[in-house]
Parts: sequence; C-alpha cells; structure tokens
Amino acid sequence: AQKVTQAQTEISVVEKEDVTLDCVYETRDTTYYLFWYKQPPSGELVFLIRRNSFDEQNEISGRYSWNFQKSTSSFNFTITASQVVDSAVYFCALREVDYKLSFGAGTTVTVRA
Amino acid sequence: DADVTQTPRNRITKTGKRIMLECSQTKGHDRMYWYRQDPGLGLRLIYYSFDVKDINKGEISDGYSVSRQAQAKFSLSLESAIPNQTALYFCATSDYPSGTNTDTQYFGPGTRLTVL
Repeated sequence: AQKVTQAQTEISVVEKEDVTLDCVYETRDTTYYLFWYKQPPSGELVFLIRRNSFDEQNEISGRYSWNFQKSTSSFNFTITASQVVDSAVYFCALREVDYKLSFGAGTTVTVRA
Repeated sequence: DADVTQTPRNRITKTGKRIMLECSQTKGHDRMYWYRQDPGLGLRLIYYSFDVKDINKGEISDGYSVSRQAQAKFSLSLESAIPNQTALYFCATSDYPSGTNTDTQYFGPGTRLTVL
C-alpha cells in the first residue's frame, strides 16, 4: 500500500500566484518524520524541510510554508508568490521507525512567467 | 565541492553488461542508501547500509548488489543489466547522532542509466 500520496501530478501557475501541494501519509507508528524535497530540472534532490510527528506547528521559511495536520494525516506545502525558479518536481516523504524513507510519486510544478 | 558525488553521471549500456555505479561522500555520515527514480513512481529504495559492516535490502533489490568499501564509499552493481533497469539512480547519506531520534537524507546528483 502506498504510504505517501501526492494526488496532484502536475500543477501549472502563473508567476506570483500561490500554489499548494498536497501530501497525505499513512502510518501506524506514533513517532515518524515527514520531509519535503525539491527536484529542479537539473535533476538533483534538495532537502527542504523535516517535521517530526510531535510537532504540529506550522513552519514558514521565506516564501515556503508547511501545514502539518495529524488529524488528517496531511503535510501540505505552500509556495507563496511563486517564481519561475520554483518550477520543479516536489516530493513528500515519510520516515517511520525502520529509518527508511517512503516517497510519494511527486508533483510537478510549472511556474509560467 | 559537493558533499555527495556519483560517478558516472550518465551511462548508456547494453543488455547483459555488468555496470557499477559509485557513490562517495565527504559528510562523514555512517548511513548510505541507493534509490532509483522512475517517472510517476517517486524514489524506491534498493539497498541501504548503516555502517561498513551492515548491508540491507530495500524494496527492490532484485538484480542489484552493493559494496560498502569504506565509510565514504558505497557502490551499486547491476550484474547483468536489463532494459527495465533504465532509470535515474540516486545515492544518499544520513547521519544519526547519538542521543537523537532523527536523521535527514542528503542526496547526490544522480546517475542517469540507460540499458539498451
């Protein structure tokens, strides 16, 4: 069974629009960690954020913000005032107590000028 | 210089050939991982190693083998490559400091492998 679901395959927006990427996860562990990675067109994977299951505070980093809701098993990611450089594939991932990462299928974000 | 390097970055080979992908890191991390990425499937774990003497299979280890030559080096081999092993391969490392219950994986730039 898929542990991490990113229902949006592709999102296309015009520059300066906000874009929200959905991530829903499934786990029976009480302690787990959630991650977001960015894969720009150049192909590398860039770590963006890690959140543990006991910290439901939302986080903001510049134009990026994350909304963790344990009640709905979601860890959504919002890019505010998107820019062309935000065009990338974004992956949500779950680490459970076995230390392995389970990745979602990814959401491709295209920001048009 | 990059903390995690992979060689080669691109490789085209033929069915049946033996291929080795290499990964080196300067982060000093004990844990290393190999993943493959296929369109629409995200990343899937092939093998992982928590230290030099520790090797573990991931979810898709069939057709692959690994060698952890040193803390800093982790190689992935395809003994007899087949076309459905065409993919983007990533190496990753992570640290797990004592007294904590967390680690973060950092990825290399990837190797694009094509098997004809």
